[in-house]
Amino acid sequence: GQQLNQSPQSMFIQEGEDVSMNCTSSSIFNTWLWYKQDPGEGPVLLIALYKAGELTSNGRLTAQFGITRKDSFLNISASIPSDVGIYFCAGQLTGNTPLVFGKGTRLSVIA
Amino acid sequence: DAMVIQNPRYQVTQFGKPVTLSCSQTLNHNVMYWYQQKSSQAPKLLFHYYDKDFNNEADTPDNFQSRRPNTSFCFLDIRSPGLGDAAMYLCATSRDVGGPSGDTQYFGPGTRLTVL
Repeated sequence: GQQLNQSPQSMFIQEGEDVSMNCTSSSIFNTWLWYKQDPGEGPVLLIALYKAGELTSNGRLTAQFGITRKDSFLNISASIPSDVGIYFCAGQLTGNTPLVFGKGTRLSVIA
Repeated sequence: DAMVIQNPRYQVTQFGKPVTLSCSQTLNHNVMYWYQQKSSQAPKLLFHYYDKDFNNEADTPDNFQSRRPNTSFCFLDIRSPGLGDAAMYLCATSRDVGGPSGDTQYFGPGTRLTVL
C-alpha cells in the first residue's frame, strides 16, 4: 500500500529558529494536508494543498505541494514555545481513498 | 465554536465490557470517520460513513461497530474491549468525498479509552 516517509522524526530547536520538515511518497497524491497534534488532543488542520506546485502560507507556516505530486514540505519561521507538538503530513489520492499519514515529526522548542 | 465534538474525552471500561464513544458535528458534513490512534503512531482509519453508507476498512476487527443515526451524530461501539484496544479514538468529518477541498478532514479532540 501507499506509504509516506516523513522526516525528521523529531527535532529540538531553539526558540526563534526556523523549522523545516517534509514528506515523500512512492506514489502521487492529489491532496496534501499538514496537521498539528498536541498531547491528548486531536489533529488540527494547519494547511491544505490541492494543486501541484501550490505554495500556501498560514501565519508563520508555509507549505508546498511538490510538482511531482510525491512530496510536500512544511516550514515554520521564528519558532515559539507553543509550536511544540507532533506534526503529521497526510496525502490523499481521491476523496474516495483513505488519508495516508506520515509517522509524524515531534517538535520541541527550547526557550 | 466547536465543530467536531467528542464525548466523553476520557473513558474507562473493563475488559470485555461494551463501550460506546460518541461524536457530533455542527458542520453539516456528509462524511464522518472513526480513527484509532495508539501512542506515538499516526491515526489509523477504522471506517467511515458517507451519509448513511457505511464503509469498513478491510483490517478493522469485527469487535468495532459504528452507527450513524443522523447527519450530526456518529457512534463507535466496541463490543468486547481488550487491553489492546486502549487508545485514542478520533472522529473526523469532511464535507464530501470529491473535488478539491471538499474531502478535507477535520478532527475532533478525541476520546482516550482505558481498558482495565
